[in-house]
Amino acid sequence: DAGITQSPRHKVTETGTPVTLRCHQTENHRYMYWYRQDPGHGLRLIHYSYGVKDTDKGEVSDGYSVSRSKTEDFLLTLESATSSQTSVYFCAISDTSRGADTQYFGPGTRLTVL
Amino acid sequence: AQSVAQPEDQVNVAEGNPLTVKCTYSVSGNPYLFWYVQYPNRGLQFLLKYITGDNLVKGSYGFEAEFNKSQTSFHLKKPSALVSDSALYFCAVRLPELSGGSYIPTFGRGTSLIVHP
Repeated sequence: DAGITQSPRHKVTETGTPVTLRCHQTENHRYMYWYRQDPGHGLRLIHYSYGVKDTDKGEVSDGYSVSRSKTEDFLLTLESATSSQTSVYFCAISDTSRGADTQYFGPGTRLTVL
Repeated sequence: AQSVAQPEDQVNVAEGNPLTVKCTYSVSGNPYLFWYVQYPNRGLQFLLKYITGDNLVKGSYGFEAEFNKSQTSFHLKKPSALVSDSALYFCAVRLPELSGGSYIPTFGRGTSLIVHP
């Protein structure tokens, strides 16, 4: 798993509440990503980061924000959770040390918004 | 722009038979191509990648993939399927150079491989 952990692994919350998911890496990779995985849609990029305090939007960024104050941590926040954000969320890093970077994924967080 | 298509939602194969999971791509340039596997309740795991050179790429767990530039395909293959190969498989493509300042691959929707005993 390239030293990637996600917390929490499971969460159930109610509509309208804020939720923060954490991704932590131990190998000092520059690039980090947040994806959501839904049946029939595969993986869709939410936000990504290319360094501390450097982030950008992906294809499904509405309703999500991110922060990266340290190289090792990339936080995903749902400011006001909605039922459409029920999904499995994956964090990934890019290992660019070997060229043609390969992404490595965390174990995922299953989020249910009631 | 880049895109990838996995035309089959599900592939069924008998144990011991060869398997193929299809992937086609569209990019304006020479692609980097990847295959990932996802077992139930797990994150995606890297299987193999094509950068340049030999069109046949060998990866983990006995899998291989063949890059075909004229058909813009990168099909995943294995000579003899195992029940334990049953999983969700994702193809991904990206351009070699930085795109907008980041390395952003595009993933297919995934193909569920079911290997029957």
